[in-house]
Amino acid sequence: EPEVTQTPSHQVTQMGQEVILRCVPISNHLYFYWYRQILGQKVEFLVSFYNNEISEKSEIFDDQFSVERPDGSNFTLKIRSTKLEDSAMYFCASSVTPGGGYTFGSGTRLTVV
Amino acid sequence: DAKTTQPPSMDCAEGRAANLPCNHSTISGNEYVYWYRQIHSQGPQYIIHGLKNNETNEMASLIITEDRKSSTLILPHATLRDTAVYYCIVRVGIQGAQKLVFGQGTRLTINP
Repeated sequence: EPEVTQTPSHQVTQMGQEVILRCVPISNHLYFYWYRQILGQKVEFLVSFYNNEISEKSEIFDDQFSVERPDGSNFTLKIRSTKLEDSAMYFCASSVTPGGGYTFGSGTRLTVV
Repeated sequence: DAKTTQPPSMDCAEGRAANLPCNHSTISGNEYVYWYRQIHSQGPQYIIHGLKNNETNEMASLIITEDRKSSTLILPHATLRDTAVYYCIVRVGIQGAQKLVFGQGTRLTINP
């Protein structure tokens, strides 16, 4: 079964450093998303992406965050200057249609120290 | 998106049917009901979705009441691997990349 692949599975970074989280969505999917989950809390929407532009973003997705689809396969989330409160599991997801079910990746655990 | 209400936890014996309820009394006519689950800290997994008709796939069945104000996810023969947090989400299914708004879900424990 096709999968959404996320790398790395775990990243530790120092506060103030830039991180890039990488995702390879399913190849024929057109809609891409990032979500995050702080330990013990709900899964939260960050951003959706379609046709090479952001469709919607949440309040969490401030100027420190950016997304990019640099080629036909990768979808990245960049955090410019990490804060302690950015520590969370970050999930990438994709879907073939806007109304279909998403496929989520297994996540990247980001730890900011 | 309409708000959903789910019990925080449920238990079910292995091999029995697990019936997970969800209330969505403010659902509007163009909103779909989606079910996802999250096993431990893995990424959420899509289970099923529907608009007004009952739906069935290889994982589960979704029963939506006629007034669409509530629904039930049925796992017909629960196994230990079905232990997870189950999320009921309503959202507009068409028009652009629609986000999912996760609540706290129902923590389902399957007991041997």
